[in-house]
Amino acid sequence: DTAVSQTPKYLVTQMGNDKSIKCEQNLGHDTMYWYKQDSKKFLKIMFSYNNKELIINETVPNRFSPKSPDKAHLNLHINSLELGDSAVYFCASSQGTSGRALVYNEQFFGPGTRLTVL
Amino acid sequence: AQKITQTQPGMFVQEKEAVTLDCTYDTSDQSYGLFWYKQPSSGEMIFLIYQGSYDEQNATEGRYSLNFQKARKSANLVISASQLGDSAMYFCAMREGLQGAQKLVFGQGTRLTINP
Repeated sequence: DTAVSQTPKYLVTQMGNDKSIKCEQNLGHDTMYWYKQDSKKFLKIMFSYNNKELIINETVPNRFSPKSPDKAHLNLHINSLELGDSAVYFCASSQGTSGRALVYNEQFFGPGTRLTVL
Repeated sequence: AQKITQTQPGMFVQEKEAVTLDCTYDTSDQSYGLFWYKQPSSGEMIFLIYQGSYDEQNATEGRYSLNFQKARKSANLVISASQLGDSAMYFCAMREGLQGAQKLVFGQGTRLTINP
């Protein structure tokens, strides 16, 4: 009964390849996010989807393309991988559209995907 | 400009002592939220505590409390009676953005080590 799950947990690939990371939440939340944690542990938001609609896109290279087939899933596809893409990618979800949930906006994080580009 | 500042890159504390992790923030919003997350060596992000800008009382969750000083824009995390399992990275974060487009902005983190 994992709340937010990501696959794969580890991803090692060569420069120039295309890869995808999948995220699923079973919390019934309507908002999902992708965050990137760099080698210095700094966490920064990349994207946010609300009800399958892209809400936040934080100056991320267009090699990164999120896709939300439904409210429970938010996948991240990365084209032409570069060395600098090596990081831990976290998916998160929240129920943040009204009332206390809107104000609170606690985000539940997945376990992370460690991407290593060689 | 850094919106969330954690000035302690690392802290070392003896087991059973209390520890305060510092966090200052910068915002012009009247309504905002402040969070603390714990990231153990296994890598997952664990929510610890939340403080809303309009909350009059400091938040508490078990051994965790948040020392919220609004005028000083600080939201320090206090861990009482520290345990070895508290050793981890700790991140302060602020919720910002408009309705439906909110995000968390994180500080640089503090690595806490509890010594036996």
